[in-house]
Amino acid sequence: NAGVMQNPRHLVRRRGQEARLRCSPMKGHSHVYWYRQLPEEGLKFMVYLQKENIIDESGMPKERFSAEFPKEGPSILRIQQVVRGDSAAYFCASSPLEAGTGELFFGEGSRLTVL
Amino acid sequence: KQEVTQIPAALSVPEGENLVLNCSFTDSAIYNLQWFRQDPGKGLTSLLLIQSSQREQTSGRLNASLDKSSGRSTLYIAASQPGDSATYLCAVCNIGAGSYQLTFGKGTKLSVIP
Repeated sequence: NAGVMQNPRHLVRRRGQEARLRCSPMKGHSHVYWYRQLPEEGLKFMVYLQKENIIDESGMPKERFSAEFPKEGPSILRIQQVVRGDSAAYFCASSPLEAGTGELFFGEGSRLTVL
Repeated sequence: KQEVTQIPAALSVPEGENLVLNCSFTDSAIYNLQWFRQDPGKGLTSLLLIQSSQREQTSGRLNASLDKSSGRSTLYIAASQPGDSATYLCAVCNIGAGSYQLTFGKGTKLSVIP
């Protein structure tokens, strides 16, 4: 059973470009979470999705960021018009149930560098 | 708003020593608490999960305790090994509007010297 798969592992973008980060949850998991880890900071919650639904996006910046988890395919975190402050590691996690009833399993992360 | 603090920020110990990592949180109404390990440039590996009704969990050389009333958890590592060198993260889960959210501490960076 493969773990949470994220790609790309490393992404370099110039200011103003778009970044797309993909996450495939563990098999049988239908809940996906995105977290961001800024340099020297702890991981911060961004968004929680179930298949085809955004449940909680309270941690996501209101502009330029969006997330989806379609019926088929991976979850996508999209950052439009990237700025240097978006440089961070973006982690995806999945669980078979709501986080409070079980563990979260994290992927290896996607490290975004904005030049 | 939940805040999680981990002390110390960094710790260096000789191989074989027992050690304790500390985690404190401000809102005691947690649902569970999870300890993770993060290696440089890698993802998070779950070590132990303690439900709010539990006092401790053990896995091999690791033992995690939880005292909800005082807002504290400790991770005890017995007979440390160089392979234990990593950053250890504490995360508490609260029930928020519509979801369960993990709040992470900044971690304790552990170095075990051979």
